[in-house]
Amino acid sequence: NAGVTQTPKFQVLKTGQSMTLQCAQDMNHEYMSWYRQDPGMGLRLIHYSVGAGITDQGEVPNGYNVSRSTTEDFPLRLLSAAPSQTSVYFCASSYSINSGGEQFFGPGTRLTVL
Amino acid sequence: AQRVTQPEKLLSVFKGAPVELKCNYSYSGSPELFWYVQYSRQRLQLLLRHISRESIKGFTADLNKGETSFHLKKPFAQEEDSAMYYCALGEGAQKLVFGQGTRLTINP
Repeated sequence: NAGVTQTPKFQVLKTGQSMTLQCAQDMNHEYMSWYRQDPGMGLRLIHYSVGAGITDQGEVPNGYNVSRSTTEDFPLRLLSAAPSQTSVYFCASSYSINSGGEQFFGPGTRLTVL
Repeated sequence: AQRVTQPEKLLSVFKGAPVELKCNYSYSGSPELFWYVQYSRQRLQLLLRHISRESIKGFTADLNKGETSFHLKKPFAQEEDSAMYYCALGEGAQKLVFGQGTRLTINP
């Protein structure tokens, strides 16, 4: 199993550009989520999904869109990138919402917005 | 609002010395608490969870509801324990609220 995969590993954008961060998991996990990691702030939840076709907002959703058309994939879209979105983005998945909290994380995408 | 506080950004101890990473939380319900760890060039991974009451790699953490704390402890630090440690609070449906993280360095 590859686990949770994320592409790209690194990305540089200009202000106003849009892009999609890809996340996929091959563990048949119901729950998937996106976090951003900023220095001194830990990880903050952006969006999450409890199953295909179901998404909801986390703590910092503004400027990001998600969709979940399949169990495996959970892409994160930046509609119009801003320097404040410079961060490391982590995707995570879990077997179910009741599996005691163990989430499996991807390797991260380091995004810089100029 | 639910919060998790890790007061130390950096913690440095010598090999063989005891380690304690502090975590305090605020939550109105019955908390689910976790410690996640990120070793150099590795993914963030679960270290332990309070509900399991287990010891992993020599680490333990006890939930103290009176002090709203979930400190991570190890009696004898090893060099391979050097990593970034995050305390996290489960907020229903597996939404995790993370603390700011503590970078632990074990000196030889």
